[in-house]
Order: sequence, then C-alpha cells, then structure tokens
Amino acid sequence: KAGVTQTPRYLIKTRGQQVTLSCSPISGHRSVSWYQQTPGQGLQFLFEYFSETQRNKGNFPGRFSGRQFSNSRSEMNVSTLELGDSALYLCASSVRQGYEQYFGPGTRLTVT
Amino acid sequence: GDSVTQMEGPVTLSEEAFLTINCTYTATGYPSLFWYVQYPGEGLQLLLKATKADDKGSNKGFEATYRKETTSFHLEKGSVQVSDSAVYFCALNDFNKFYFGSGTKLNVKP
Repeated sequence: KAGVTQTPRYLIKTRGQQVTLSCSPISGHRSVSWYQQTPGQGLQFLFEYFSETQRNKGNFPGRFSGRQFSNSRSEMNVSTLELGDSALYLCASSVRQGYEQYFGPGTRLTVT
Repeated sequence: GDSVTQMEGPVTLSEEAFLTINCTYTATGYPSLFWYVQYPGEGLQLLLKATKADDKGSNKGFEATYRKETTSFHLEKGSVQVSDSAVYFCALNDFNKFYFGSGTKLNVKP
C-alpha cells in the first residue's frame, strides 16, 4: 500500500505570497492532520479533517487554512506568508480519528 | 490539559549500549500512547504503540510499557546500533486529539 504523499517536497516563496500544499493519504484513510515542525517550536498541530470536515484546530492564525476533498485528499493554504512560516509541514493520515497516524515526508517551505 | 514531556537530548551512546528515553504524560481521559521516530530529512514513522494500561508495545528491538500508575511510557532498547540515530517522539491520543513531546535526539557512535 502506498504511503502518505505530499507535494511539493520543497518550496521557496517570498514574504506576502500565498502557498498551497497538498497531501494524499494512505488508501482507505479518512482522517488527515497537518503539523508544522520548526527547530524552535518543535511539532505543532495545525488542524485535522475527517470526512471533509475540520474536526480539530490548533492555535494558528487565520492565515492558515485547509480543506479535505471527497477522496480524502487534503490541501492546506497559507496566505500572506511571513518569514516565520518557514518550516517543514507534515501531513499525517489515519483510518479514522483517534487511530495511529502515518506521516508523509513533508513539504519544506522557505519564505524569503 | 493533556501534555507529553520527554527527556531533553541529545542522548549520545556507543553502539551496543542500552537505551532509555523517558516519557511522561498528563491526560484527562484514557489515552493511547505512541513512539515515533524521525530520520534526517524524513517524516515521522510509527515505532510502537500501546492502547491501555500495562500494554507493552514493541518493534525492531524497541519496547515501551504503558504505566498508568506513574503516567509514563519510557522507550527502551537493549543494544542500539548506529542506524538508530534519529529523533524520537513520544505522543498520546486522548479524545481524538494527538499531543507530541518535543523529541529526543539520539546519537549512536560506532
């Protein structure tokens, strides 16, 4: 079974721009979560989607948003990028909420 | 609220040494507990899990026991290898929310 895939793997954007990251979960998994990982803050939870609905949300500003499609694929969007948004963005999928999560390789976002 | 506390790293060991990485948690409900490992440039990989008190999770020579009385889930391995060098994360799931520790970097020297 294919693992969680994330595209693109690397991204360089300029401050003020917006970006969309994509995540394809493991086949049959209906829950997708997003995390931001930085050296200073560690792993921080962004949001979780299950059956196309946002179920949980972390403490991030409204510039961070996401959605999930009927095939469980998910996208997250960051608008008005700031230098501090430079991070590794990880997507994780699970069969359903509360079950073990399986992570993708991440998208490395650099904001200049 | 719920939280996970891990020992700070880095932990540096010689090959074949015994490994313990401490993890304690605070939870409102009855959480499931997990250990994840992250190799350089990669995402997190599930290493092992335990879903109730006294359960022992094990995988690839690593093991951890869910201790409700001490709210702990310490990771152990009897003989580490250079290839075990990575960052290890302890995590819990409570009421469908995941909480991760800050990670412990392990360096194994030949």
